[in-house]
Amino acid sequence: GENVEQHPSTLSVQEGDSAVIKCTYSDSASNYFPWYKQELGKGPQLIIDIRSNVGEKKDQRIAVTLNKTAKHFSLHITETQPEDSAVYFCAAGSYNQGGKLIFGQGTELSVKP
Amino acid sequence: SQTIHQWPATLVQPVGSPLSLECTVEGTSNPNLYWYRQAAGRGLQLLFYSVGIGQISSEVPQNLSASRPQDRQFILSSKKLLLSDSGFYLCAWGIRDLLNQPQHFGDGTRLSIL
Repeated sequence: GENVEQHPSTLSVQEGDSAVIKCTYSDSASNYFPWYKQELGKGPQLIIDIRSNVGEKKDQRIAVTLNKTAKHFSLHITETQPEDSAVYFCAAGSYNQGGKLIFGQGTELSVKP
Repeated sequence: SQTIHQWPATLVQPVGSPLSLECTVEGTSNPNLYWYRQAAGRGLQLLFYSVGIGQISSEVPQNLSASRPQDRQFILSSKKLLLSDSGFYLCAWGIRDLLNQPQHFGDGTRLSIL
């Protein structure tokens, strides 16, 4: 079945450094790739998404890249701040799955002051 | 703007007792609705999704059931809870009939089975 692999499972960086989280997906029909941030005790919140007709998207300190040939997509956070500490999830979806998303297993990001 | 509500926020239930978790969405019509379970803070597992009133698709065999009695109401139920039903349950909604749209999550219900 469809699968999304996410790495690393934990990531610790110093404040101000960059953080990169990588995902690979198995379903070649996937064409939508959102990223979510989940803080303790809360539901996941959408932070950025990218569609398959775009290779890169940026929103302030957050950027996402997509390589459809290799079935890879990545989240880049620059100038990290302590409030960026959370669990981050990637996901992949396709129009022929009724809006369903397949989620990665999550990355726990810790930004040390 | 759209909002999604889940309740209760936390619940402690004995093994063998029934369960009813409710999710409602405001500010949108005809949403797709989803129930997920999250164990140990990771790994969102899709349990059920619905594209309309009375239409439920189950993703994994389990001890739970879902119902959608109204357009913006989604209910997760069980007749007899098992210890393995413990977890963090999340409801989400998405725009129907539009391709490549995100899902928006509620703040979840933490269920502990004793």
